[in-house]
Amino acid sequence: GAGVSQSPRYKVAKRGQDVALRCDPISGHVSLFWYQQALGQGPEFLTYFQNEAQLDKSGLPSDRFFAERPEGSVSTLKIQRTQQEDSAVYLCASSTPEGLGSEQFFGPGTRLTVL
Amino acid sequence: DAKTTQPNSMESNEEEPVHLPCNHSTISGTDYIHWYRQLPSQGPEYVIHGLTSNVNNRMASLAIAEDRKSSTLILHRATLRDAAVYYCILRAGNNAGNMLTFGGGTRLMVKP
Repeated sequence: GAGVSQSPRYKVAKRGQDVALRCDPISGHVSLFWYQQALGQGPEFLTYFQNEAQLDKSGLPSDRFFAERPEGSVSTLKIQRTQQEDSAVYLCASSTPEGLGSEQFFGPGTRLTVL
Repeated sequence: DAKTTQPNSMESNEEEPVHLPCNHSTISGTDYIHWYRQLPSQGPEYVIHGLTSNVNNRMASLAIAEDRKSSTLILHRATLRDAAVYYCILRAGNNAGNMLTFGGGTRLMVKP
């Protein structure tokens, strides 16, 4: 079955450019998470959606980061005026509200390089 | 979420069992112990989770200390495909809305 997909897989941006990263969660998954993973580190939480509602955005590092999920399915993470410190792998994960453990299913990530 | 401590790296021989330790001395009564692993160039994937009792699934076993201050992920027969970073994570409750707080994990190397 189809898992979580993310696009693009790789993105190179010049400093100051805006970027948009897309996540297609598993069909029917209510919960959607974005994480940022710097090189050699574990992923760090950015934001969480339940359907179209953004319930937690405490991990977004600055107001240059914005995420949306307008129809409760596909989500987009937008980074404005990219900086070199934004270079990282951006991971999306989805899960169902029911089920033991509510395991999160991760996409392959988008590797963002800011020059 | 409470903090976990794992060795930075471990080595194993192929087809031998692997015991990956995790210390979580500040675990609270409602924290579940989750394990995820991340293969090279992939997103993390769920391995197993538990609360108090030992757990088994097709991928691994999870042994939880009686005082719950430590746990061990057991791979019964390591294969080359098991080479990955393994993350031990404490997750408050069992709520789908709870994010995962990753530490540095243990990088497992498997030798043929």
